[in-house]
Amino acid sequence: AQSVTQLDSQVPVFEEAPVELRCNYSSSVSVYLFWYVQYPNQGLQLLLKYLSGSTLVESINGFEAEFNKSQTSFHLRKPSVHISDTAEYFCAVSEDSSASKIIFGSGTRLSIRP
Amino acid sequence: EPEVTQTPSHQVTQMGQEVILRCVPISNHLYFYWYRQILGQKVEFLVSFYNNEISEKSEIFDDQFSVERPDGSNFTLKIRSTKLEDSAMYFCASSDAGGGEAFFGQGTRLTVV
Repeated sequence: AQSVTQLDSQVPVFEEAPVELRCNYSSSVSVYLFWYVQYPNQGLQLLLKYLSGSTLVESINGFEAEFNKSQTSFHLRKPSVHISDTAEYFCAVSEDSSASKIIFGSGTRLSIRP
Repeated sequence: EPEVTQTPSHQVTQMGQEVILRCVPISNHLYFYWYRQILGQKVEFLVSFYNNEISEKSEIFDDQFSVERPDGSNFTLKIRSTKLEDSAMYFCASSDAGGGEAFFGQGTRLTVV
């Protein structure tokens, strides 16, 4: 069975500073990896995903994540954050097989200070 | 852009009452899921559904819960006799390939009083 660990429950950063949200996963089989974002009082939106190919994946709003198989990590980074990035970020994993569910980490609350 | 839609957005019900949460998945998707998020906690898997039957369910998904795809478009979650601890945000999701990207609805906030 898969599991996801997000070590940081909260990450406060100043606007325009870089940020890294950590994610480690555990699985005995090949996996797909995701970052979902939840803005206040809203649903879950897919931010980016790793299914195969290049281990570095990017989102349209400047976030990137790198799949590191040896370290079983999928950390999320952004070189310069904005107030609008304030949200809860969930790392998630699913097995590389049909009908496999997505398992979420406990989430990291990113708060941006002006 | 196609999206998963859920109704209602918020439902308040008395303890012991039955509730049905409704979802319209993306039309060409084949895999459907329900998740819940208790306030301030992680998103938890409840059940997955494929080919008109449950493919997997979590220990949370006990006999009080059931899912159904009554027609070609809707996917419902029924809670037979609600308890206070069922209060949560319930998310429906769908995907066109199991194990790949899932698209989530905006959620239904269920409040049991």
